[in-house]
Amino acid sequence: DQQVKQNSPSLSVQEGRISILNCDYTNSMFDYFLWYKKYPAEGPTFLISISSIKDKNEDGRFTVFLNKSAKHLSLHIVPSQPGDSAVYFCAASSTSGTYKYIFGTGTRLKVLA
Amino acid sequence: DVKVTQSSRYLVKRTGEKVFLECVQDMDHENMFWYRQDPGLGLRLIYFSYDVKMKEKGDIPEGYSVSREKKERFSLILESASTNQTSMYLCASMGNYEQYFGPGTRLTVT
Repeated sequence: DQQVKQNSPSLSVQEGRISILNCDYTNSMFDYFLWYKKYPAEGPTFLISISSIKDKNEDGRFTVFLNKSAKHLSLHIVPSQPGDSAVYFCAASSTSGTYKYIFGTGTRLKVLA
Repeated sequence: DVKVTQSSRYLVKRTGEKVFLECVQDMDHENMFWYRQDPGLGLRLIYFSYDVKMKEKGDIPEGYSVSREKKERFSLILESASTNQTSMYLCASMGNYEQYFGPGTRLTVT
């Protein structure tokens, strides 16, 4: 059973426009969520996180929104740049349990120049 | 700056060989993790360790074992490599709820 789902395997966006990546989760015990970015042949790098006590967190061009009632989070990238082309993984964890993350399957973002 | 290193970037092994993948972190983190990444399946947790000599199975531990003799080092062992273990292997260590990943090892088993 996939507890964290990224239903769009790929997304193409024009440079300068907004990229919206979505993630759904099923476990109501998750209270901390993260987005990672991965380039080919490199390890994932941390992008942004959000605790369940918030519904929005912003860092420069990146904003993560959390809708707890819908068990849904999204990552907005504005404006999108060609260097943002990568695979994006969302991850969820329960801070009261072990330190395990559950990762989604990833969305490949391609930003077109 | 945070540093997680993995012993090899690319590795080719034969079926039945014993394979060791090494991971070292320099952040004095207690928690370390081994994942494999496969297309369409995301990152799946193999094993993790929350202290020296302590380990817990992740979601897909079959065919793997781990060793953590020192805090900074976490090793993944494939006892008898099989072709279905061909994958990208990623090690991570954790501090402040954030996991820091190594560059990965692309293992091919022929």
